[in-house]
Amino acid sequence: QQQVKQSPQSLIVQKGGISIINCAYENTAFDYFPWYQQFPGKGPALLIAIRPDVSEKKEGRFTISFNKSAKQFSLHIMDSQPGDSATYFCAATTGSGNTGKLIFGQGTTLQVKP
Amino acid sequence: DSGVTQTPKHLITATGQRVTLRCSPRSGDLSVYWYQQSLDQGLQFLIQYYNGEERAKGNILERFSAQQFPDLHSELNLSSLELGDSALYFCASNRGPGEQFFGPGTRLTVL
Repeated sequence: QQQVKQSPQSLIVQKGGISIINCAYENTAFDYFPWYQQFPGKGPALLIAIRPDVSEKKEGRFTISFNKSAKQFSLHIMDSQPGDSATYFCAATTGSGNTGKLIFGQGTTLQVKP
Repeated sequence: DSGVTQTPKHLITATGQRVTLRCSPRSGDLSVYWYQQSLDQGLQFLIQYYNGEERAKGNILERFSAQQFPDLHSELNLSSLELGDSALYFCASNRGPGEQFFGPGTRLTVL
């Protein structure tokens, strides 16, 4: 029940295309859903996050869509660029009190071809 | 730069040995989290400390232990090391629920 399932494992997109990564969760107590971006040799860095009281959040070219009833959320990268090539992780946490341990998906390696 | 520092960057050691990984959180952050990243297990939460107290425990082996000191830096101690402990170890910090800021990680190689 603590798992977060992420797909696809890898993704190749042409420059200018849309990259879509999907995640699903089981634990309805989760109340904060961040996406992290990780470049080789670096630590994960927060990209964008959403709480379940909204269905969509957009920041620049990055959009999270959230479907509470289906317990699914997805990351859309519009106008994908070669600089977006990285590994993306969805995550979830309860955020209650100060126990905000992140439960991560397995990650998606994105390659954007020029 | 997230403001979280970790040392050392790389660590190479032998099976059966003990190592200590160090993390300094962002200024003002009271929570420190430790995560292990491996190819087969992905990013796994190990343990969280908040203002010196253990707050949550994840899939942390009994051979592993951690502590957070009064100056809020944290150390992760790994003992009786096995080949399978080779991984990237990240610490993260925050001030409350929500965004966690990750350090650059320590790459541990056990030979």
